[in-house]
Amino acid sequence: GQNIDQPTEMTATEGAIVQINCTYQTSGFNGLFWYQQHAGEAPTFLSYNVLDGLEEKGRFSSFLSRSKGYSYLLLKELQMKDSASYLCAALDSNYQLIWGAGTKLIIKP
Amino acid sequence: GAVVSQHPSWVICKSGTSVKIECRSLDFQATTMFWYRQFPKQSLMLMATSNEGSKATYEQGVEKDKFLINHASLTLSTLTVTSAHPEDSSFYICSARPGQGDSDTQYFGPGTRLTVL
Repeated sequence: GQNIDQPTEMTATEGAIVQINCTYQTSGFNGLFWYQQHAGEAPTFLSYNVLDGLEEKGRFSSFLSRSKGYSYLLLKELQMKDSASYLCAALDSNYQLIWGAGTKLIIKP
Repeated sequence: GAVVSQHPSWVICKSGTSVKIECRSLDFQATTMFWYRQFPKQSLMLMATSNEGSKATYEQGVEKDKFLINHASLTLSTLTVTSAHPEDSSFYICSARPGQGDSDTQYFGPGTRLTVL
């Protein structure tokens, strides 16, 4: 079956760095998305990776290893506003989204 | 874990026809369901929020007469795109939430690709 795994919850300190991991098993693969979702709001697009490697975008970076079925989202210089859920979603061979349950990130002062 | 399905996965239709998309929560009861549109590599745009047994709440700019939403049961919500036109072509994603709080987890469906010719 198709599956995405990511931690349910993580806690980090303001100003620090945190890495949120995501492993996936899908029928075919056409890329992986990361979204940020604050409570009561729609998910915001953060990144899309389809090739192996690291893509950096400001304080956020996303990494993909297709051979390992693994991705991570790296958040640097954490701010209180980064407290949110982070959703990992993979596109399968039919371009259907397979969603992780989300990682709730709690930032402490 | 909680699973949300959508049907159909793909639909191609002629301009002027209506298309119905179903969103089902398979192993939990969804008090609230959400409908989103997504354009390539962009954030999900919330179209409407529906609560079982009541009228949907539409976001500003979304035509309620064009995008009909019915949340008839705690496990099923439908989105009907009426008189579809090419500009309605998009990826429609639903999500379902078992609880009523904003902080409760939403579970997302796999999406439905609509192409209007």
